Amino acid sequence: KAGVTQTPRYLIKTRGQQVTLSCSPISGHRSVSWYQQTPGQGLQFLFEYFSETQRNKGNFPGRFSGRQFSNSRSEMNVSTLELGDSALYLCASALDPNYGYTFGSGTRLTVV
Amino acid sequence: GNSVTQMEGPVTLSEEAFLTINCTYTATGYPSLFWYVQYPGEGLQLLLKATKADDKGSNKGFEATYRKETTSFHLEKGSVQVSDSAVYFCALEGYQKVTFGIGTKLQVIP
Repeated sequence: KAGVTQTPRYLIKTRGQQVTLSCSPISGHRSVSWYQQTPGQGLQFLFEYFSETQRNKGNFPGRFSGRQFSNSRSEMNVSTLELGDSALYLCASALDPNYGYTFGSGTRLTVV
Repeated sequence: GNSVTQMEGPVTLSEEAFLTINCTYTATGYPSLFWYVQYPGEGLQLLLKATKADDKGSNKGFEATYRKETTSFHLEKGSVQVSDSAVYFCALEGYQKVTFGIGTKLQVIP
C-alpha cells in the first residue's frame, strides 16, 4: 500500500517568496499533520487537519498556513519566506492518532 | 503543556551491546507514547507504541514500557546491530498533536 507522499522533495526559494508544499496521505487516513524539523529546534508541530478542519495549531506565525481537501490531501503554504524557514517539512497521516502516525520523506526547503 | 525529555547523545555502542535510551514525559490526561526512528535522509518511522499505563510496546527487538508512576518510556534492546544506527525520538500524542523529544543519535560500531 502506498505511503505518505510529499512533493516536491527539494525546494530552493528566495527570501520574500512564498511556497506551497503538498502531501498525499495513506488512503483512508483522514488525519494529516505537518511538522518542521531543524537542527536547532528539533521537530515542531505546525498543524493538524481532520476532514478538512484544522483541529490544532502550533506556535508558528501567521505566515504558515495549511488546508486539507475533501480527498484528505493537504497543502501547507509559507508566505514571505525568511532564511530561518529553511528546514525539513514533514507530513504525517493517521487513521487514529492515538495509534501513531505514518510520516512522509519530507520536503527539504532551503531559503536563500 | 506536554513535554518530552530524552538523553541527547550521541550514544556509541559496539555491536551486540545492550541499549537503553531514557525518556520521561510531562502531560495532562493519558497520552499515547511512541518511539520513532529516523534514518539519514528519510522521514520518521514508527518503531513502537503504547497506549495505556503498563503497556509494553515492542518491535524488531526493541521494547519500551509505559510507566505512569515514573512518567517514563525508556527504550531498550538487548543486542544492537550496525543497522540500528539512526536517530531515535521519544514522543507523546495528545489533543491531535505529537510532542517529540530532541532525538538521540545512536551509532553502532562493528
